Amino acid sequence: DAEITQSPRHKITETGRQVTLACHQTWNHNNMFWYRQDLGHGLRLIHYSYGVQDTNKGEVSDGYSVSRSNTEDLPLTLESAASSQTSVYFCASSPGTGYAGELFFGEGSRLTVL
Amino acid sequence: SQQGEEDPQALSIQEGENATMNCSYKTSINNLQWYRQNSGRGLVHLILIRSNEREKHSGRLRVTLDTSKKSSSLLITASRAADTASYFCATDTSYNTDKLIFGTGTRLQVFP
Repeated sequence: DAEITQSPRHKITETGRQVTLACHQTWNHNNMFWYRQDLGHGLRLIHYSYGVQDTNKGEVSDGYSVSRSNTEDLPLTLESAASSQTSVYFCASSPGTGYAGELFFGEGSRLTVL
Repeated sequence: SQQGEEDPQALSIQEGENATMNCSYKTSINNLQWYRQNSGRGLVHLILIRSNEREKHSGRLRVTLDTSKKSSSLLITASRAADTASYFCATDTSYNTDKLIFGTGTRLQVFP
């Protein structure tokens, strides 16, 4: 069955370190998204991609970067982790048929920055 | 900034009762969706309603949309303990984009 997987599921790191969260989907979806979820804020969009070599900033993109070298993967990199980036991160994908259809979510990656 | 705001933030009911959650949004939309999130898990899509639709049903779920008031409601009938979860509305922002903006969610607790 097609799926979307995130790794690692849990990570603890130190302030200033570079961290990469992986996201891999096997649906062959064009669109991929990264959200962060914090209490009181719901889900906020970090970065998104509509296809290979395409990346776009969301509403909370500062301190994060993504790259899309193939259809299946959209890794999220925190260049220099900060305590404010402690959060649960969700990757999602959608087919990308010209309208905001159903998003398929991964199980999340819980990141703690000490 | 948040596009959608759910109300109430938390809701506790007994099994068998109906649960109603509301979502208000700020700008014109093409579609509104509802998602469910069990504790510690990813979000799961429940239902999508288009801006030209007023009501949609899926099993025990009933969604209404009032574009004049920029609001939607999700009704879960005959709730079960397994319905305990957080529920989020999400809207697109303009035609031809697949970017969804999520609300802050309603946490539903159904007691057996």
